[in-house]
Amino acid sequence: QVQLQESGPGLVKPSETLSLTCTVSGFSISSHYYWGWIRQPPGKGLEWIGIIYHSGITYYKSSLESRVTISVDTSKNQFSLKVNSLTDADTAVYYCARVTVAGLGHDYWGRGTLVTVSS
Amino acid sequence: QSALTQPASVSGSPGQSISISCTGTSSDIGGYNYVSWYQQHPGKAPKLMIYDVSIRPSGISSRFSGSKSGNTASLTISGLQAEDEADYYCSSYTIINTRVLFGGGTKLTVL
Repeated sequence: QVQLQESGPGLVKPSETLSLTCTVSGFSISSHYYWGWIRQPPGKGLEWIGIIYHSGITYYKSSLESRVTISVDTSKNQFSLKVNSLTDADTAVYYCARVTVAGLGHDYWGRGTLVTVSS
Repeated sequence: QSALTQPASVSGSPGQSISISCTGTSSDIGGYNYVSWYQQHPGKAPKLMIYDVSIRPSGISSRFSGSKSGNTASLTISGLQAEDEADYYCSSYTIINTRVLFGGGTKLTVL
């Protein structure tokens, strides 16, 4: 079955860059789906960050676009997220997900990883 | 771009039916049949319950149904059960750059 697992540091400093990787198992990342990132600040709602297709085409939330980069490594069946110029507001649980191409429904999710921005 | 608008909370007794609304604009909900609903229990990842307005993924109970009228989508849960108590989020495709919008979330309490 499709499984996704986020990995990366749990603590990063303000002004630095967050790097997370999502490893996909049980399904080829080169199939006809997008792969996405969503985050959830503690006690708050979901915020969509962006998606990537295996060809490298990306779409980002407009307000985050200047600080976010999503990339894909098909040889490792992984995709990654980088967020630069971090502030406290970037503290959140970060989820990766598989996203349908037609309706952009997020049908499989990772368990999420908490990233805290603090000095 | 603003998030989709959901009520902060709804409640119902076991066995009853409840509906959660999700209001957008003609650029998102009103213009496309690409509304999804997610259930999230505390400390867990969201789970897809409805996609493309009214389609249930395999394994999702028929007690969950979705609909849309104009710029507002709705999730209806019939025969409420204690396990339905959770946060529910809607999302929609949007023609504007963002591509995907989420609602602010609705906390469902089963009395």
